Amino acid sequence: EDKVVQSPLSLVVHEGDTVTLNCSYEVTNFRSLLWYKQEKKAPTFLFMLTSSGIEKKSGRLSSILDKKELFSILNITATQTGDSAVYLCAVERNTPLVFGKGTRLSVIA
Amino acid sequence: DGGITQSPKYLFRKEGQNVTLSCEQNLNHDAMYWYRQDPGQGLRLIYYSQIVNDFQKGDIAEGYSVSREKKESFPLTVTSAQKNPTAFYLCASSIGRGRDTQYFGPGTRLTVL
Repeated sequence: EDKVVQSPLSLVVHEGDTVTLNCSYEVTNFRSLLWYKQEKKAPTFLFMLTSSGIEKKSGRLSSILDKKELFSILNITATQTGDSAVYLCAVERNTPLVFGKGTRLSVIA
Repeated sequence: DGGITQSPKYLFRKEGQNVTLSCEQNLNHDAMYWYRQDPGQGLRLIYYSQIVNDFQKGDIAEGYSVSREKKESFPLTVTSAQKNPTAFYLCASSIGRGRDTQYFGPGTRLTVL
């Protein structure tokens, strides 16, 4: 059975800290890995990763994929209270996405 | 103003009643999806449709039904057979060709009393 495991499940940090969120997967017919940020309602897209070792960056967020070890990390540097959210990892297969349970990040001032 | 809309935002129903959740998109996307999210859980796929007049069951289809008569619309019916329907329901769409990203609607929170 395909599965996506995220860790930690929740995390509390202070503003300015750097955090690393983890996502490991066991999926047949892997096509890509996606990261989403969910604040109150709809998840919003952050990154799509298809190739190993190529870092994707967007401002203070970056992510990388390791297809040999079957995991991805999402880094957030200089965290702000606006980064507080649930971060979801999802893996695309031949059939639609399978999601992890998410990591709830709380950034306190 | 392109996007995905879901209605209603909040829905209350009595046990044993069927209820239909609306999802509309004007992004000209071929593929549409329905997910359920429970507290502390990720998103679980209920049904998806990659083209008009065709749809497939996801991981937790029991107690749900869908239709895809128009490209823009993918309504989800929660039937009385669904044992635990109270949840947050998210609709998504994607271009549907090759490796594409899913974009989500704002969700409907269904509470069955």
